[in-house]
Amino acid sequence: AQRVTQPEKLLSVFKGAPVELKCNYSYSGSPELFWYVQYSRQRLQLLLRHISRESIKGFTADLNKGETSFHLKKPFAQEEDSAMYYCALSYNYGQNIVFGPGTRLSVLP
Amino acid sequence: DAGITQSPRHKVTETGTPVTLRCHQTENHRYMYWYRQDPGHGLRLIHYSYGVKDTDKGEVSDGYSVSRSKTEDFLLTLESATSSQTSVYFCAISESNQEGSLYEQYFGPGTRLTVT
Repeated sequence: AQRVTQPEKLLSVFKGAPVELKCNYSYSGSPELFWYVQYSRQRLQLLLRHISRESIKGFTADLNKGETSFHLKKPFAQEEDSAMYYCALSYNYGQNIVFGPGTRLSVLP
Repeated sequence: DAGITQSPRHKVTETGTPVTLRCHQTENHRYMYWYRQDPGHGLRLIHYSYGVKDTDKGEVSDGYSVSRSKTEDFLLTLESATSSQTSVYFCAISESNQEGSLYEQYFGPGTRLTVT
């Protein structure tokens, strides 16, 4: 079955430090992967998707099919990056989507 | 924000009572979804709709029913609420491109439901 895992429930880093939020997936076909973010008191919103290969707010994520991973990275964390981050797998031409359990990122001053 | 609203935003109800949550969109998107968000579980799909009167079950559909009588509204009903259904409920919408692949999902603000 399709599954997304995010091993860290909580990740705390200091401002300016690099951050990496891990995401692994299980799917035998061609996946489409996303990172969604939920800031405090705001709705979930798309941060980035792997097919666009873009950098949003300094975040990047590379799909590694060999390791079935889609880790989210940022070289220098900012306090405003503190939020809940969800990795999501879309499959079956986008008809289905599975979310991971989420990682709460806390960037300390 | 995409034009998605949810009502009510907060509700407290007693075990055994029926509850209906409403999702309303102004984007004319074909696909609509209901999720519940719980600590440690992330978002889990309850039901989704791929058109008016076309719905299907998601991962955690037991105890929930949905209806979509028009494009803009997607209703989630708890026929007899239980304490295990205390959660935050999110609605989302999406649209497909000409090839049939779905674009990103846009989420509503959420409804916090407490069943006592």
